[in-house]
Amino acid sequence: GQQLNQSPQSMFIQEGEDVSMNCTSSSIFNTWLWYKQDPGEGPVLLIALYKAGELTSNGRLTAQFGITRKDSFLNISASIPSDVGIYFCAGPNYGGSQGNLIFGKGTKLSVKP
Amino acid sequence: DVKVTQSSRYLVKRTGEKVFLECVQDMDHENMFWYRQDPGLGLRLIYFSYDVKMKEKGDIPEGYSVSREKKERFSLILESASTNQTSMYLCASSPGTSITDEQFFGPGTRLTVL
Repeated sequence: GQQLNQSPQSMFIQEGEDVSMNCTSSSIFNTWLWYKQDPGEGPVLLIALYKAGELTSNGRLTAQFGITRKDSFLNISASIPSDVGIYFCAGPNYGGSQGNLIFGKGTKLSVKP
Repeated sequence: DVKVTQSSRYLVKRTGEKVFLECVQDMDHENMFWYRQDPGLGLRLIYFSYDVKMKEKGDIPEGYSVSREKKERFSLILESASTNQTSMYLCASSPGTSITDEQFFGPGTRLTVL
């Protein structure tokens, strides 16, 4: 079935560094969603991508919908301590009921001040 | 502001107890979901509901049941809690209008079963 592979699993970076993470799939997606989960909280949507090749920014975050429709990338520029958390990619579960999403296992980001 | 609330942030129960986790959304959403989150395993779907009194099994329904008597409320029930059900439980809702709907999450309930 559909599966999303996120990498890296975890990152330890210094404040001010740029961060890059990605999500890949063996099947095509028409939508990519990127969520962030702060420690002790539920995930919150950061960016939604709906078109192959699309590049969307939200402040210091930039996400791209891969041209093959099988991958997506999330970049964070000039990281700050509050960027700490787990970042999930997600896409529609085409094999399931409407509204179901498939989630990657997440990239855990740690930022050293 | 959209809101999904969960009845408890932290819960400690004993093996064999019946456990109820409650979730309420105020957005008039059709779909509601229960996930379990464990380190390294991401979010795994337990059950979801696309309408009142309707439910469907997710990827890991064993040991759980759900109830949706009202549109805004979705309950997760552990009939007889076991230690391997110690986890973070996340509730979510979505409008139900599109296959690409965003899901809105509650803050989570961290359940410990002793």
